Amino acid sequence: NAGVTQTPKFRVLKTGQSMTLLCAQDMNHEYMYWYRQDPGMGLRLIHYSVGEGTTAKGEVPDGYNVSRLKKQNFLLGLESAAPSQTSVYFCASSPITGGRNSPLHFGNGTRLTVT
Amino acid sequence: GQSLEQPSEVTAVEGAIVQINCTYQTSGFYGLSWYQQHDGGAPTFLSYNALDGLEETGRFSSFLSRSDSYGYLLLQELQMKDSASYFCAVYTGFQKLVFGTGTRLLVSP
Repeated sequence: NAGVTQTPKFRVLKTGQSMTLLCAQDMNHEYMYWYRQDPGMGLRLIHYSVGEGTTAKGEVPDGYNVSRLKKQNFLLGLESAAPSQTSVYFCASSPITGGRNSPLHFGNGTRLTVT
Repeated sequence: GQSLEQPSEVTAVEGAIVQINCTYQTSGFYGLSWYQQHDGGAPTFLSYNALDGLEETGRFSSFLSRSDSYGYLLLQELQMKDSASYFCAVYTGFQKLVFGTGTRLLVSP
């Protein structure tokens, strides 16, 4: 099993450019998440999805859009990149386990630099 | 708003025991988790407490007191490979996890 796979691993963008970060999981998990991690600030939730075709805002959604057209994929889009979006982006997924919270499984991250 | 506080850095020597504390103020509480992250790596799950008390998993234990909005991660028989960042995280809703800012643990020989 590959688990959670993120592409690309690294990317440099110029201010105003757009891009899409791809996340794929092969564990048949219902929930998927996008977090960003900045030095000294831990992981902050951008958007999440509780199932195919659904998305919801997290703590820091501004400047990002997401889509979950297929259960196994969760896409994060930046329409007009800004230097403040320089960060490491982590995708995660988790299963539904009978009403009890279950652990998140993280991908290896995408390191994005906006110049 | 959400607030999870943990020390920024802790140092210890191999073989020792270290405790990393976490206090939280969140709009909802459905459980406390701990994650480990090595430099350049992905966070990985360590433990989960939904109820008060101690949960033990090998060398790692985690404690929760909901009345005090407090928890801790206890690492015993420290090894060099335990040098990493440790994050407490609160479920503020079902499957919705908010992370603390992390504690960097440095283990020396």
